[in-house]
Amino acid sequence: DAKTTQPNSMESNEEEPVHLPCNHSTISGTDYIHWYRQLPSQGPEYVIHGLTSNVNNRMASLAIAEDRKSSTLILHRATLRDAAVYYCTLKKSSGDKLTFGTGTRLAVRP
Amino acid sequence: DTEVTQTPKHLVMGMTNKKSLKCEQHMGHRAMYWYKQKAKKPPELMFVYSYEKLSINESVPSRFSPECPNSSLLNLHLHALQPEDSALYLCASSQAWLSTDTQYFGPGTRLTVL
Repeated sequence: DAKTTQPNSMESNEEEPVHLPCNHSTISGTDYIHWYRQLPSQGPEYVIHGLTSNVNNRMASLAIAEDRKSSTLILHRATLRDAAVYYCTLKKSSGDKLTFGTGTRLAVRP
Repeated sequence: DTEVTQTPKHLVMGMTNKKSLKCEQHMGHRAMYWYKQKAKKPPELMFVYSYEKLSINESVPSRFSPECPNSSLLNLHLHALQPEDSALYLCASSQAWLSTDTQYFGPGTRLTVL
């Protein structure tokens, strides 16, 4: 299975942008990059996903390197409610499982 | 309604007890999942049901027995558990079992085995 590596923890100031990196050097051509986050005492929630092109949605942006060996989740203006563990995951084609990496614990300072 | 509900929220059981965890979704999703999450660790997949058939069993011990009675419900039957089985058990669902499908997670059942 392709693996992802992320920093264990990061800190950000409120209302500043946050860039959460993820390395996936063994990614294959059919792997989609998914990001989930888990707020305290909750189940994971979907953030964003992509294959090759950069993606934007109301929660975040996903920047994918040209060689696809790394990606960056961008929160444009961090809020205290964004404090969570962020998981970068890879999922292959139909019928494959979602395997969570170790995740990055994001702390947001007021 | 994009909610996955799980009951109970908390469960304490002895090693000789039999109990069940329940999960429900009304989004018309045809794939449902059980994950196990230990403290400060990522969720680990246990089972996948696709169209009410068991598609993946991640070598889970037989003391955990999943059941999918219909497309909206997923149960996890527990019997003769060990203290190391104490964890947060998460249920999730997705429209189908495809690479682009978002998984929606419930809040989990926190299980303590004494």
